[in-house]
Amino acid sequence: NAGVTQTPKFRILKIGQSMTLQCTQDMNHNYMYWYRQDPGMGLKLIYYSVGAGITDKGEVPNGYNVSRSTTEDFPLRLELAAPSQTSVYFCASRPRAGEYEQYFGPGTRLTVT
Amino acid sequence: AQSVAQPEDQVNVAEGNPLTVKCTYSVSGNPYLFWYVQYPNRGLQFLLKYITGDNLVKGSYGFEAEFNKSQTSFHLKKPSALVSDSALYFCAVRDPDRGSTLGRLYFGRGTQLTVWP
Repeated sequence: NAGVTQTPKFRILKIGQSMTLQCTQDMNHNYMYWYRQDPGMGLKLIYYSVGAGITDKGEVPNGYNVSRSTTEDFPLRLELAAPSQTSVYFCASRPRAGEYEQYFGPGTRLTVT
Repeated sequence: AQSVAQPEDQVNVAEGNPLTVKCTYSVSGNPYLFWYVQYPNRGLQFLLKYITGDNLVKGSYGFEAEFNKSQTSFHLKKPSALVSDSALYFCAVRDPDRGSTLGRLYFGRGTQLTVWP
């Protein structure tokens, strides 16, 4: 198992550009999450999904969109990038209800200038 | 609202000495508590969890954590620190009384542990 994989590892965007952060898991997990990590601030939940076709907003969804067309993939879309979106983005997955451990990907470091 | 506090941004300890990384929480009802570790340029890795049962929970890499309901704390401990334990440690809580199967976690701000030789 590769676990949770994320691409790219690093990216620099100009203000106003768009991009998609990819996340794939090969563990057949139902639940998937996107977090952002800012220095000294812990992790904040952006979006989550409880299964293919079902997504919902977390704590900080503004400026982002997601889709979940398959169990494996959960891409995060940034439209009109802003400097405030400079952060490290982590994707995570969890097997099913009643199992609470989350498995994290290695992260994508995004800089918007 | 559920929340987690890690009162120390940094903890420094000599190799071979015991270490403690502190965490306090605030939730309604019984909490589900977690510790994760993050090594440089890596994602978070699960260390241990408390759901119910024995207040002393044992986890990966020789770490353990003590759940104290009266003090609303869940401190991470290790009897003898290693240089390789140096990393960023996060405490997290999930409120099980939300009536949701989301499994959403609320993270503390993290504590940087440095173990010096």
